[in-house]
Amino acid sequence: AQSVAQPEDQVNVAEGNPLTVKCTYSVSGNPYLFWYVQYPNRGLQFLLKYITGDNLVKGSYGFEAEFNKSQTSFHLKKPSALVSDSALYFCAVRDISTGGFKTIFGAGTRLFVKA
Amino acid sequence: EAQVTQNPRYLITVTGKKLTVTCSQNMNHEYMSWYRQDPGLGLRQIYYSMNVEVTDKGDVPEGYKVSRKEKRNFPLILESPSPNQTSLYFCASSPLEREWQETQYFGPGTRLLVL
Repeated sequence: AQSVAQPEDQVNVAEGNPLTVKCTYSVSGNPYLFWYVQYPNRGLQFLLKYITGDNLVKGSYGFEAEFNKSQTSFHLKKPSALVSDSALYFCAVRDISTGGFKTIFGAGTRLFVKA
Repeated sequence: EAQVTQNPRYLITVTGKKLTVTCSQNMNHEYMSWYRQDPGLGLRQIYYSMNVEVTDKGDVPEGYKVSRKEKRNFPLILESPSPNQTSLYFCASSPLEREWQETQYFGPGTRLLVL
């Protein structure tokens, strides 16, 4: 069965420092991976996705993610964190075994950026 | 403005009293989906729909019903709510032009409390 794991419930980082939010996946076939962000009292917003091609994907708000097939990981990164990046981050994979119509989300990682 | 809307945003009800949460999108998307968000569990898919009159179960469909009579609307029905359905619910939509490559657009969420 397809699955997504976010091993850290919470990540703390100081403003200006680089940040990494981890995601590992288990899929059959090619993975279609997404990162979404949720700000307080808001719905989820799309950040970036990996479908095929370059392993380094660039997305919104200066975020990027590196797809690593051998380690089955899709970690979210940003070179310099902002306080406004504090939010809940979700990694997700489309379930190709069902034709891609089901989406599996990780449990989420809460990012705190301290000024 | 392209958006997904949900109503109501907040709802307190009692066990067994039927309720409906509405979801509407103005982007002419074929795909719509309902999720529930619970702490530590992330988002779990309840039901999804690939087009009008075409729906299928997600990972946690028990206790829920959906219908897709019009392309823009995808209501979630709780025939007999129970306290374990207390949760934050999100509706999402996406086009199906490239199947599972498409990003989902999320509504603002509906917070439900079942007493």
